[in-house]
Amino acid sequence: HLRLQESGPGLVKPSQTLSLTCTISGGSISSTSDYWGWIRQPPGKGLQWIGSIDYSGNAYYNPSLKSRVTMSVDTSKNRFSLRLNSVTAADTAVYYCARDIRSFDYWGQGLLATVSS
Amino acid sequence: EMVLTQSPVTLSLSPGERASLSCRASHTVSSTYLAWYQQKPGQAPRLLIYGASSRATGIPDRFSGSGSGTDFTLTISRLEPEDFAVYYCQHYSSSGFTFGPGTKVDI
Repeated sequence: HLRLQESGPGLVKPSQTLSLTCTISGGSISSTSDYWGWIRQPPGKGLQWIGSIDYSGNAYYNPSLKSRVTMSVDTSKNRFSLRLNSVTAADTAVYYCARDIRSFDYWGQGLLATVSS
Repeated sequence: EMVLTQSPVTLSLSPGERASLSCRASHTVSSTYLAWYQQKPGQAPRLLIYGASSRATGIPDRFSGSGSGTDFTLTISRLEPEDFAVYYCQHYSSSGFTFGPGTKVDI
């Protein structure tokens, strides 16, 4: 049974970089058919896809966030990561990681990241 | 840019009733990449339907999806108390993923 778990700081200062990691258990990040994605949800609002990456590091990003986003993969630790730079209060959200099979079938529980000084 | 519009914004129903939720795309999309999710407060979304009409693993058969082109529907045949939640549609294309704004099904 595949499980995903987000980790990272819950508080980030404006203009700094938000860094989150998603650790996969019960399965391998190196599955050749899967991508792995990040989705966020501001408090009380809807879902926004941030980007997805495969085991070899091929990534694609939401055009509206592309200039600030970098995703990476660490196959030795079965995890993938998100970096979002130059954050503002508008980036405050619950950040979810999920398996991307052109829909998202397995999700982490989510991590609230707040941007505040 | 793809835009998904969901209606109604809120659907007020009672247990046992039938719910029909609409998702309309701004231009014709492939049914292969149309999905529906359920989200309850404090929880991650759960995949209900993929490929417009295929139920995800473990999803009860009271949930069904239909549609093609620009108009898609999620139907809950008989609402159970645990079905009161927010429902999102989502589309994938080579440009990435788009989510609709959601429909809240409440009592």
